[in-house]
Amino acid sequence: DTGVSQDPRHKITKRGQNVTFRCDPISEHNRLYWYRQTLGQGPEFLTYFQNEAQLEKSRLLSDRFSAERPKGSFSTLEIQRTEQGDSAMYLCASSPGDRGRYEQYFGPGTRLTVT
Amino acid sequence: AQSVTQPDIHITVSEGASLELRCNYSYGATPYLFWYVQSPGQGLQLLLKYFSGDTLVQGIKGFEAEFKRSQSSFNLRKPSVHWSDAAEYFCAVGAPGSARQLTFGSGTQLTVLP
Repeated sequence: DTGVSQDPRHKITKRGQNVTFRCDPISEHNRLYWYRQTLGQGPEFLTYFQNEAQLEKSRLLSDRFSAERPKGSFSTLEIQRTEQGDSAMYLCASSPGDRGRYEQYFGPGTRLTVT
Repeated sequence: AQSVTQPDIHITVSEGASLELRCNYSYGATPYLFWYVQSPGQGLQLLLKYFSGDTLVQGIKGFEAEFKRSQSSFNLRKPSVHWSDAAEYFCAVGAPGSARQLTFGSGTQLTVLP
């Protein structure tokens, strides 16, 4: 079990540019989640996948944000036309999601800085 | 809407002292409850969880938490703190039966004095 991995770990971009983050969940975990964490705050839920289906989206996920999980394996989170307010840590988590195993395991996060 | 309150933003304890971190939640039913720890620059590590049953839950690294329905609380405790416990601690709640969307508190920063 190698844990949840995220790439890149750090991203610096200029305002208006597009960025894409990747998350590789723990193998055979059906559920995958994205959260955003700003300084001094707890993580905030963005979106959730059950296999390849995106089942829930937070109202925090504006139309500049899009997430995919093709084939129910890795996931990508894209932010278009980045704004300074998008600067945050983006966390990915996965969980088995069945037989009572609902706990989420988090990756190390991708820290985005928009200049 | 659900919410989680961690009243203590920052706690300082001496190494070897006992620790209690407070967590209160607001939820329509009894939620699933979690405690996570986050070291600088790292993701969150699950310390323990409560779904149902025994209200005293044991976790990793010597931590335990007690669910008190009447107080809507899920406080985290450790009898003797180690310097390596210095980190930020987050309490979270999720919907019973699924826990698909976790709601986190704003965290408690723990400093451990030698």
